[in-house]
Amino acid sequence: AQKITQTQPGMFVQEKEAVTLDCTYDTSDPSYGLFWYKQPSSGEMIFLIYQGSYDQQNATEGRYSLNFQKARKSANLVISASQLGDSAMYFCAMSPLPNRDDKIIFGKGTRLHILP
Amino acid sequence: EAQVTQNPRYLITVTGKKLTVTCSQNMNHEYMSWYRQDPGLGLRQIYYSMNVEVTDKGDVPEGYKVSRKEKRNFPLILESPSPNQTSLYFCASGRPGRGSSDTQYFGPGTRLTVL
Repeated sequence: AQKITQTQPGMFVQEKEAVTLDCTYDTSDPSYGLFWYKQPSSGEMIFLIYQGSYDQQNATEGRYSLNFQKARKSANLVISASQLGDSAMYFCAMSPLPNRDDKIIFGKGTRLHILP
Repeated sequence: EAQVTQNPRYLITVTGKKLTVTCSQNMNHEYMSWYRQDPGLGLRQIYYSMNVEVTDKGDVPEGYKVSRKEKRNFPLILESPSPNQTSLYFCASGRPGRGSSDTQYFGPGTRLTVL
């Protein structure tokens, strides 16, 4: 069975510093996808970034990058130059790749607080 | 503008009274999905659909039904709601890594209370 673990329930980071949010996963599937989402206090869910397990390079999207270490089964989210608006709950998720069972499972989240 | 519309946004109902939460997307995505979010449990997938007339169970499908008769709509049906279905529900459209969709959009959420 697949499992996602986010070990940091909460983090406090000074504005403008880089942030790393941890995510480890467990799966027996040979191919899979990894996702990160943001949920601000207003409640909406925002997709941030995606990494396929077969991708040669780590995914990047603006200030977000996914530090994918396949052997360690980790998919940490890195936010460069953090901003006050980055304060939110962040969820890591994974799914087997297409043509199979396509469920997406989520970690329990990390609440990030950016301090001015 | 890419949009996922969910209705209603808020609903208070009573046990056993059938209800439907609608979800509609304007991006021609094949993949759509429903999630519920509960404190301490994070998000859990209820059902997903990979295309018209193709639906499958997520992690917590009990007590829910879905249908996908057309690409843009993916309603969530609670035939006989119970208090343990009180939750925040999100519909989503698109799935990175599948087909032509490289992103995923969520609806604004439906806060459901079952008394």
